[in-house]
Amino acid sequence: GALVYQYPRRTICKSGTSMRMECQAVGFQATSVAWYRQSPQKTFELIALSTVNSAIKYEQNFTQEKFPISHPNLSFSSMTVLNAYLEDRGLYLCGAREGGAEVFFGKGTRLTVV
Amino acid sequence: GDSVTQTEGQVALSEEDFLTIHCNYSASGYPALFWYVQYPGEGPQFLFRASRDKEKGSSRGFEATYNKETTSFHLQKASVQESDSAVYYCVHSGGSNYKLTFGKGTLLTVTP
Repeated sequence: GALVYQYPRRTICKSGTSMRMECQAVGFQATSVAWYRQSPQKTFELIALSTVNSAIKYEQNFTQEKFPISHPNLSFSSMTVLNAYLEDRGLYLCGAREGGAEVFFGKGTRLTVV
Repeated sequence: GDSVTQTEGQVALSEEDFLTIHCNYSASGYPALFWYVQYPGEGPQFLFRASRDKEKGSSRGFEATYNKETTSFHLQKASVQESDSAVYYCVHSGGSNYKLTFGKGTLLTVTP
């Protein structure tokens, strides 16, 4: 079956530091990878969408300078949160799909900023 | 703009009760519709999808029918179990074919 692994599951970083999270697709080719943030209020925000052979597209309020993303092959993606502050806390989710199929999500990386 | 409205924020049921969670969407074009379920501490899990009018999606006893006329995709299950307790999200995939629009979620609590 199609699975998406994310790591680390939890991370704590000091305010102003950076942290990197990774996403691995197993059992399918991740032609598209989207990174979301789920707030403590449970709402989902799309950060950016990466599609093979296309430029990474960031949503309004999110920038490459703050959330650089790498999608080097059809099974892996990573995202870094640079200079993390309190408002960056939340559950970061990687959603991957092959072509136009449904999106499979990882279990998320929970970021706490202290 | 594109949106998804889930009427119920919370639903409390007893085991073997009938479940309905209402979902209405607003989107340009002909979006695909999904239901996802999220358990505590995990990411959303794909439940099922429907891509065209009158199509029924189903999985694990849950089902929903795409209704273009009423722009609805209501989730139903005939007999819920305690293990169904989770947050359920109605989602649509709009014109970009990837940008998912999530509803606010419905917390289902099933007691024995």
